[in-house]
Amino acid sequence: QSALTQPASVSGSPGQSIAISCTGTDSDVGAYDYVSWYQQHPGKAPQLIIYDVSNRPLGVSNRFSGSKSGNTASLTISGLQAEDEADYYCGSSSISRPMVFGTGTKVTVL
Amino acid sequence: EVQLVESGGGLVQFGGSLRLSCAASVFTFNNYWINWVRQAPGKGLEWVANISPDGSRNDYMDSVRGRFTISRDNTKNSVYLQMNSLRVDDTAVYYCATAVSPGKLDYWGQGTLVTVSS
Repeated sequence: QSALTQPASVSGSPGQSIAISCTGTDSDVGAYDYVSWYQQHPGKAPQLIIYDVSNRPLGVSNRFSGSKSGNTASLTISGLQAEDEADYYCGSSSISRPMVFGTGTKVTVL
Repeated sequence: EVQLVESGGGLVQFGGSLRLSCAASVFTFNNYWINWVRQAPGKGLEWVANISPDGSRNDYMDSVRGRFTISRDNTKNSVYLQMNSLRVDDTAVYYCATAVSPGKLDYWGQGTLVTVSS
């Protein structure tokens, strides 16, 4: 039961846009449009920021957007702000289990 | 808004048992699937188990199947994770999280730390 693959780290300057990839297989990311993204600040619980590939829950900034092509999903953060510095995890339903998470990406605001 | 509070974590020896609880403050608790997700120190998120709104269905990750049991009591708005035969690699913060639809964990508790010593 392998995790989805994410880059270990991504960085950008304030105001820039960054993208985080999440690569899975035909059995998870490629099989369903049930991809979600979570933001986790140090010592805090994860928070849902994107669901069903590209939908934002109420209250989440529109600077966060999601997309998917084949077996790879992406999270884009535009207008990068200091408060966006956190760990980000993708998640997906899969054929073999209800949920599989990505390896996680540390976002650094330079 | 949904609030989840986990409890029951602590220090336990290899081979021991713990029972985690997740108490929810939500009027429609029995509309939600409940998941347990864990995070080992300095590591990523790992889905552990889930249970259906009426408690009739559940699923587990391979490494805990047969050792962990998830259950719920909708009269108490609570979900439980009975963890037996604990191993050192079960050491983690355990979070409970709600899900109304697949692949979408929308509300999370603050987590409870389980430490298994050898």
